[in-house]
Amino acid sequence: NAGVTQTPKFQVLKTGQSMTLQCAQDMNHNSMYWYRQDPGMGLRLIYYSASEGTTDKGEVPNGYNVSRLNKREFSLRLESAAPSQTSVYFCASRSGTGSRRYEQYFGPGTRLTVT
Amino acid sequence: GQQLNQSPQSMFIQEGEDVSMNCTSSSIFNTWLWYKQDPGEGPVLLIALYKAGELTSNGRLTAQFGITRKDSFLNISASIPSDVGIYFCAHGSSNTGKLIFGQGTTLQVKP
Repeated sequence: NAGVTQTPKFQVLKTGQSMTLQCAQDMNHNSMYWYRQDPGMGLRLIYYSASEGTTDKGEVPNGYNVSRLNKREFSLRLESAAPSQTSVYFCASRSGTGSRRYEQYFGPGTRLTVT
Repeated sequence: GQQLNQSPQSMFIQEGEDVSMNCTSSSIFNTWLWYKQDPGEGPVLLIALYKAGELTSNGRLTAQFGITRKDSFLNISASIPSDVGIYFCAHGSSNTGKLIFGQGTTLQVKP
């Protein structure tokens, strides 16, 4: 049981390049989330998927797109990377049911630098 | 928008000391969660609180859901070097499951 996994762990892009960050969970969770973490800013929600087949914008969605490929996988795409997108990106999931329905579990993160 | 204030921003303590940090919100919520983030890792859930006045322990950690439902605190007793990290509070939205995070409290422990 690996929990939430993310790939890649590190990435360097040039301005204007595109890339997709991958996330998968093996806990049969319904909801999945993408956050970015910047110094002094805490964790900010980019996009989320409350259930398979649905996606919604979070607090900072501009410059990003997402795909909920199936119940396990939720990817984040940067179409044209900008230096302002240099950050650490975390994926999280939650079951959405039962007594622990609000608890989110995080992956190890992807450290992205855009030059 | 929702405001979640976490304090203190950072703490530098001696090993063995007790630690206290808290979060306050401008709104009432039904859930308080406390996470710890080790350097270079993702946040790990420490304690979840679901009821006003609830007091929950996890080893040397104790957290309480404030009776007004607008605040929560986390205490760490007898700190050890591996307690070093960033501690985040968060509260949840019942409709979407979205979490709002505090800015974090950075804890450093001197052996």
